[in-house]
Amino acid sequence: GESVGLHLPTLSVQEGDNSIINCAYSNSASDYFIWYKQESGKGPQFIIDIRSNMDKRQGQRVTVLLNKTVKHLSLQIAATQPGDSAVYFCAERPQRNYGQNFVFGPGTRLSVLP
Amino acid sequence: DGGITQSPKYLFRKEGQNVTLSCEQNLNHDAMYWYRQDPGQGLRLIYYSQIVNDFQKGDIAEGYSVSREKKESFPLTVTSAQKNPTAFYLCASSIQGRLLNTEAFFGQGTRLTVV
Repeated sequence: GESVGLHLPTLSVQEGDNSIINCAYSNSASDYFIWYKQESGKGPQFIIDIRSNMDKRQGQRVTVLLNKTVKHLSLQIAATQPGDSAVYFCAERPQRNYGQNFVFGPGTRLSVLP
Repeated sequence: DGGITQSPKYLFRKEGQNVTLSCEQNLNHDAMYWYRQDPGQGLRLIYYSQIVNDFQKGDIAEGYSVSREKKESFPLTVTSAQKNPTAFYLCASSIQGRLLNTEAFFGQGTRLTVV
């Protein structure tokens, strides 16, 4: 079935450096993508989203890039802070019949080193 | 404040018992979802509901049951037929409709452990 995967299961960065988390998706018909952040023992929180008719979207300290040619999604975090340590999931919305359901990948754990 | 609430946060189940996980939202969302999360894996869909009194199986529905008698509530029962129920369970809700690009809002999860 469709799946969303990640190139790097773990990522360690120095505080203050930029982080890049990558995601490969398999369904070329997916029309909407979201990045979530999940801290230990908590539910995922929305970070940023992007529609398939865009290739870049910026938020506060975060940027999402979408490359539909190679079905690749990335999340860039500028000036990474200790509070950014978490697991990050990308999610795609395949064009199925059931509403807003998303397909999630296994996640990348981001560790921020002091 | 509007949000989605799951209870309990931790739940222990004996072999052969059914347990019910609660999920309540006051966001006026039509759609609600249950996901299961295992270590090192992504979220897998158990059941979803797009409207009151209607629900559909997700990818891993075996051993689970749900009900949607009220818009605000979508409880999940983990039955004795679920052979490996120990996991972190997440409930989510969203506005219904494919034309609306909007995220799903998640609860804080329930960690179920079989003892």
